[in-house]
Amino acid sequence: DIQMTQSPSSLSASVGDRVTITCRASQSISIHLNWYQQKPGKAPKLLIYAASTLQGGVPSRFSGSGSGTDFTLTISSLQPEDFATYYCQQRYSIPDTFGQGTKLEIK
Amino acid sequence: QVQLQQSGPGLVKPSQTLSLTCDISGDRVSSNSAAWNWIRQSPSRGLEWLGRTYYRSKWYIDYAESVKSRITINPDTSKNQLSLQLSSVTPEDTAVYYCVRASSAWYDYWGQGTLVTVSS
Repeated sequence: DIQMTQSPSSLSASVGDRVTITCRASQSISIHLNWYQQKPGKAPKLLIYAASTLQGGVPSRFSGSGSGTDFTLTISSLQPEDFATYYCQQRYSIPDTFGQGTKLEIK
Repeated sequence: QVQLQQSGPGLVKPSQTLSLTCDISGDRVSSNSAAWNWIRQSPSRGLEWLGRTYYRSKWYIDYAESVKSRITINPDTSKNQLSLQLSSVTPEDTAVYYCVRASSAWYDYWGQGTLVTVSS
């Protein structure tokens, strides 16, 4: 199975900050990498697919980049509603696997 | 708008079978462009893909190796539903279970989640 490792596991930031979350795959996955946001008690929500394509309705302050084994999710200017847990997920080979999550908290 | 409505018991006894159903609206379980998945989430295992089914002129089903001997995923085209059965459950199977649509290579619609607790 392909292992997905996110860093950091948790992050404290303030409204207006720029934050970056990293996801590393244990082998090359091309651009088959997706990002999700999850709020407490809710299902994950798709933010970015194919490494850098914004899902419809997702604010443009979210962006993704990377290919191969290293990927990043960037939020350009944090808003109060962005405090949540973020997950990366690879769809290069079965089984689909997820990172362990990055919890973004208010400083 | 695709909606996935899950139903099923929230408490299952050890060694019994966990059964969940997902009612699909806004799409067809027999769609040629979607795949229908079950994913679970627990503090100890994180988000874990369990299996999927999809129709491309015939039905295909894939299961995670970790549950392959215990899991059954069935599409029901007459009811436009997806079902999950997981047999011989243990407390390690306690998790929130999600029914999820995959459009191409990403998960775009999720059910509301069902917390299933395995306990006597």
